[in-house]
Amino acid sequence: ELKVEQNPLFLSMQEGKNYTIYCNYSTTSDRLYWYRQDPGKSLESLFVLLSNGAVKQEGRLMASLDTKARLSTLHITAAVHDLSATYFCAGGPTNEKLTFGTGTRLTIIP
Amino acid sequence: NAGVTQTPKFRILKIGQSMTLQCTQDMNHNYMYWYRQDPGMGLKLIYYSVGAGITDKGEVPNGYNVSRSTTEDFPLRLELAAPSQTSVYFCASSMGYGYTFGSGTRLTVV
Repeated sequence: ELKVEQNPLFLSMQEGKNYTIYCNYSTTSDRLYWYRQDPGKSLESLFVLLSNGAVKQEGRLMASLDTKARLSTLHITAAVHDLSATYFCAGGPTNEKLTFGTGTRLTIIP
Repeated sequence: NAGVTQTPKFRILKIGQSMTLQCTQDMNHNYMYWYRQDPGMGLKLIYYSVGAGITDKGEVPNGYNVSRSTTEDFPLRLELAAPSQTSVYFCASSMGYGYTFGSGTRLTVV
């Protein structure tokens, strides 16, 4: 059964700095998702990565996938306060249920 | 376009009471899911469905039941509510790639 681990669980960073959130998964996953969740809100889809070497970028966020290492990363460039949220990665076989990581709670400090 | 609609948004139950969490989607998605999210944690799958009339257990099904009589609706039934079922419940739907999440139901059992 697929297991998904994220680290760090908590991340406090200054505005303007760069950082990376890591997502490791235990077995083959056809797809890897990144979601954002604001406090008390639902999950917002950020990226879906479908193949080895896939890289997607949206604003200050960039996600990548290395299927051989079973690793996905979410890189934050020049962080701003609006990026404060909890970020989840999730994976699983096509047309089957997703398994979520425990999340990374990101706080951007002015 | 409503997407995935969950009702109610908030509910307080007494121990031993029962209730049904409603979930409706208008995107004609075959796949529907129920997750629970405990405070500070990721999402755990309760039940899922790959189409009308077909349901299966997820990671944490005990204390819950589901039915899927139509493509649109996927209600989650709690029988004999317990404090351990205090959580936020999210319904999601998918066509295989990409989940759409509802806004969640915050349930407290006292």
